[in-house]
Amino acid sequence: AQSVTQLDSQVPVFEEAPVELRCNYSSSVSVYLFWYVQYPNQGLQLLLKYLSGSTLVKGINGFEAEFNKSQTSFHLRKPSVHISDTAEYFCAVSERGTDKLIFGTGTRLQVFP
Amino acid sequence: NAGVMQNPRHLVRRRGQEARLRCSPMKGHSHVYWYRQLPEEGLKFMVYLQKENIIDESGMPKERFSAEFPKEGPSILRIQQVVRGDSAAYFCASSTGTGAYEQYFGPGTRLTVT
Repeated sequence: AQSVTQLDSQVPVFEEAPVELRCNYSSSVSVYLFWYVQYPNQGLQLLLKYLSGSTLVKGINGFEAEFNKSQTSFHLRKPSVHISDTAEYFCAVSERGTDKLIFGTGTRLQVFP
Repeated sequence: NAGVMQNPRHLVRRRGQEARLRCSPMKGHSHVYWYRQLPEEGLKFMVYLQKENIIDESGMPKERFSAEFPKEGPSILRIQQVVRGDSAAYFCASSTGTGAYEQYFGPGTRLTVT
């Protein structure tokens, strides 16, 4: 069975500092990988996705993530965060051939001025 | 181009009542997914529907929960005889079809059972 682990439930960081949100997954088959962002009282918005090809994926709002098959990781990074990046971030996987998403428990990114 | 719409945004029910949550997918999308988010947890898959068909309901509780996506009108998630443990945010997502790789989420319905 697939599972997604987001080790950090909260990540506090100062504005303009770099940030990395960690995501590890387990699956016995090939997967697609996603990062979503959820602002307070809103639905989820897709930041980026990895389907195949280049392991470095660039998304919206200056975020990027790198797929590491050997370490089964898909960490999200941003070189310089803004106050507006304060939100909940969810990593998700879906097994190739299915459409349901398996989510991690989320990481709350808090950006301080 | 309206996104995924869900209503109501907030729903309060007493224990034992029924809750009906509605989801209108994005224009051109024929596939709908329902997820539940319990407090302090990630989203859990519940059910995946096409028009008039349930494709995957492996995440649906065996009792009291049902979902439909009729030929006309929104998708409905129905919870009968609600209990306090049903209090959660219920999100709907839609896509253009199998293998579309991107699901667009609605703003959610926050159900509170008193």
